[in-house]
Amino acid sequence: EPEVTQTPSHQVTQMGQEVILRCVPISNHLYFYWYRQILGQKVEFLVSFYNNEISEKSEIFDDQFSVERPDGSNFTLKIRSTKLEDSAMYFCASNMPSGRVTTGELFFGEGSRLTVL
Amino acid sequence: GQQLNQSPQSMFIQEGEDVSMNCTSSSIFNTWLWYKQDPGEGPVLLIALYKAGELTSNGRLTAQFGITRKDSFLNISASIPSDVGIYFCAGRKSGGGADGLTFGKGTHLIIQP
Repeated sequence: EPEVTQTPSHQVTQMGQEVILRCVPISNHLYFYWYRQILGQKVEFLVSFYNNEISEKSEIFDDQFSVERPDGSNFTLKIRSTKLEDSAMYFCASNMPSGRVTTGELFFGEGSRLTVL
Repeated sequence: GQQLNQSPQSMFIQEGEDVSMNCTSSSIFNTWLWYKQDPGEGPVLLIALYKAGELTSNGRLTAQFGITRKDSFLNISASIPSDVGIYFCAGRKSGGGADGLTFGKGTHLIIQP
């Protein structure tokens, strides 16, 4: 069964360093998302991406964050200068179109755990 | 921002018992989704609801989309050990597209032997 894959599974970094988290969405999906989950808390929406541009972003997604689809398969989240409070699990998700209308169902990867020291 | 109130926060039950959890919102959502998350893994979709009043089953799971579009419940019948995990409700303003999901805080299901 097709799945969303994410790398790395765990990254430890020093505060102020740049981090890139990578995702390979399900191959025929057109909508891509990043969510984060701080330990023990709920999953929070960061950003959605469609047709090679950001569609929506939350207030969490500030100038330190950026997303990119550098090729036909990868979808990346970059954090330019990490802060302690960026420590969280970051989930990539994708969504499949059904004709002209997408379904509401998002499929999530297993996440990348980011620890900022 | 939008908030989903999910309850209960945690449940301690015996194997074989039925489980019920729900989510309410002050605003309307046009799609309700229920996810299960195991430790260290991503959310896995259980049930998707698109129409007010819709009642949908997936094996032992049953979920309903409230008539007002402001609430949903999930029932699990005859719980088994693998049902342990955190269950999240999530709402979307649209039926699909680029808008993000708003998640509830989760219901932690614990099954006592």
